[in-house]
Amino acid sequence: NAGVTQTPKFRVLKTGQSMTLLCAQDMNHEYMYWYRQDPGMGLRLIHYSVGEGTTAKGEVPDGYNVSRLKKQNFLLGLESAAPSQTSVYFCASSDRGNTDTQYFGPGTRLTVL
Amino acid sequence: KQEVTQIPAALSVPEGENLVLNCSFTDSAIYNLQWFRQDPGKGLTSLLLIQSSQREQTSGRLNASLDKSSGRSTLYIAASQPGDSATYLCAVSHTGTASKLTFGTGTRLQVTL
Repeated sequence: NAGVTQTPKFRVLKTGQSMTLLCAQDMNHEYMYWYRQDPGMGLRLIHYSVGEGTTAKGEVPDGYNVSRLKKQNFLLGLESAAPSQTSVYFCASSDRGNTDTQYFGPGTRLTVL
Repeated sequence: KQEVTQIPAALSVPEGENLVLNCSFTDSAIYNLQWFRQDPGKGLTSLLLIQSSQREQTSGRLNASLDKSSGRSTLYIAASQPGDSATYLCAVSHTGTASKLTFGTGTRLQVTL
């Protein structure tokens, strides 16, 4: 099992450009999450999904969109990147069971110039 | 709004010492609490998960306790090793759906030879 994978690992964008981050999990988990991690701020939830075809807003959703067309994939889109979106982005997934342990991907480091 | 605090922000100890990391949260209506480890430039690895009905969990040299009524958790690391050097994050999951996590900002641990 690869667990949770993220593509790409690094990306540099110019202000106003768009991009999509891909998260894939092979554990058949129902729930998937996108977080961003900034120095001194901890991890903050951007969007999440409780199953295929569903998405919901987290703590800091503005400027991001997501889609969950397949159970194993969760896409995070930036339509018009801003320097404030420079961050490390983590995807996670969890089972619907009682354990609710979240499994994290390795992260994508995004810089917006 | 739930707030999670971890003190100290950084800690340096010599190899072999036992140590305690602290986590406090403001809203006791939690579903569970998780401790994670994050190595530099890497994703998060789940160490221990304590359900709200439990008092503690143990895994090897790690022991995590939970006092929900006082809003506190501790992570005890016995006989520390240089390989334990990492940032340790705690996160609480709220009652309700989706197991959304609120993270602390972490304690950066360095174990010296």
